[in-house]
Amino acid sequence: AQKITQTQPGMFVQEKEAVTLDCTYDTSDQSYGLFWYKQPSSGEMIFLIYQGSYDEQNATEGRYSLNFQKARKSANLVISASQLGDSAMYFCAMREERFAGNNRKLIWGLGTSLAVNP
Amino acid sequence: SAVISQKPSRDICQRGTSLTIQCQVDSQVTMMFWYRQQPGQSLTLIATANQGSEATYESGFVIDKFPISRPNLTFSTLTVSNMSPEDSSIYLCSVEERGAKNIQYFGAGTRLSVL
Repeated sequence: AQKITQTQPGMFVQEKEAVTLDCTYDTSDQSYGLFWYKQPSSGEMIFLIYQGSYDEQNATEGRYSLNFQKARKSANLVISASQLGDSAMYFCAMREERFAGNNRKLIWGLGTSLAVNP
Repeated sequence: SAVISQKPSRDICQRGTSLTIQCQVDSQVTMMFWYRQQPGQSLTLIATANQGSEATYESGFVIDKFPISRPNLTFSTLTVSNMSPEDSSIYLCSVEERGAKNIQYFGAGTRLSVL
């Protein structure tokens, strides 16, 4: 069954340090996409980074990188040089690409709350 | 990426009333999604709204409670009907931007409190 697991309910990091947020997924499909979103206290959901299952290189977007280990079914988000504005909830999500139309859904993890300390 | 305007941003409503949330996109999109996020929880998909067809509701959500309109490729509304305090949540609309990655982008959300 499709599932996303985020085992860290809360994380703390010192400003300017790097932090890794864990995400494992379960799917029997070969073609899927993995996503990370950030949700500040304001409530909006901000797309951060995407990794396709066939992408050979780990995705990077500025200070965000995705440590994709396909055999272990993990897609950890790495935030380098943490900033105070990084304090937020972070959600990992997956979409199985075999689905089309109204079945194209994102499967969501429960999220990790990150607090960046000055 | 698509720019999504969602309103109202927040509202406080009385039990038994209804609220309509609007979602406007700055480009034409085929697929729009409505989510509910209860306090301290992850996102739950309410329905998928495609232009020109009836919305497809997820298990546990019904059209009478959450009617959705999708009159064109840039606009959708979600109504939360006959509200109760259990409907207090953040409601988010999103669109899937067609491309190599088919990213879902979100509006800023509507924070609803029902008294």
